[in-house]
Amino acid sequence: AQSVTQPDIHITVSEGASLELRCNYSYGATPYLFWYVQSPGQGLQLLLKYFSGDTLVQGIKGFEAEFKRSQSSFNLRKPSVHWSDAAEYFCAVGAEWGRRALTFGSGTRLQVQP
Amino acid sequence: GAVVSQHPSWVICKSGTSVKIECRSLDFQATTMFWYRQFPKQSLMLMATSNEGSKATYEQGVEKDKFLINHASLTLSTLTVTSAHPEDSSFYICSASERQGDYGYTFGSGTRLTVV
Repeated sequence: AQSVTQPDIHITVSEGASLELRCNYSYGATPYLFWYVQSPGQGLQLLLKYFSGDTLVQGIKGFEAEFKRSQSSFNLRKPSVHWSDAAEYFCAVGAEWGRRALTFGSGTRLQVQP
Repeated sequence: GAVVSQHPSWVICKSGTSVKIECRSLDFQATTMFWYRQFPKQSLMLMATSNEGSKATYEQGVEKDKFLINHASLTLSTLTVTSAHPEDSSFYICSASERQGDYGYTFGSGTRLTVV
């Protein structure tokens, strides 16, 4: 069975600073990997996903993530954070595309200081 | 892009009544629908998986008679919370996927259920 670990429960960064959110996964084969963002009281919005190919994935809102098989990681990065990026971020891993539910990490709450 | 419409966004009901939540895939065929429950400041907890035209598969600990899931068409799935009680108050989110193609794991906007 797959699992996801997001080691950081809460991160605070200053507006304009760079950001890296960590995600480690456990899965026997090459997984499908996702990053979602959730604002309070809202559903989940897909930031980016990785299936195969180029290990550096570009997403929406200026986010990118890099798949590192050797480290079982899929960390999310943004070079310059905006106040509107404050939200909850979830990393997820999937298998059997479309047939089985994603397994989510516990989430990282991002706070942005002015 | 893929859109999943979830309604209602919020609902308040009296204890003992039933509430139906709808999820519609607007521009793709949702062969599989996943229903999640989310407690405050927590991650998503999978409740059940439903394939179009089949009975839902419930996760361990989820009462299938309380949380009725119907997935009769490729664009609509419903979750009915029967005889709701205050402990059923939560945030419910659906996620739709198609088995072939790029539209997978698209989430609805969630439903805040409050049982009074």
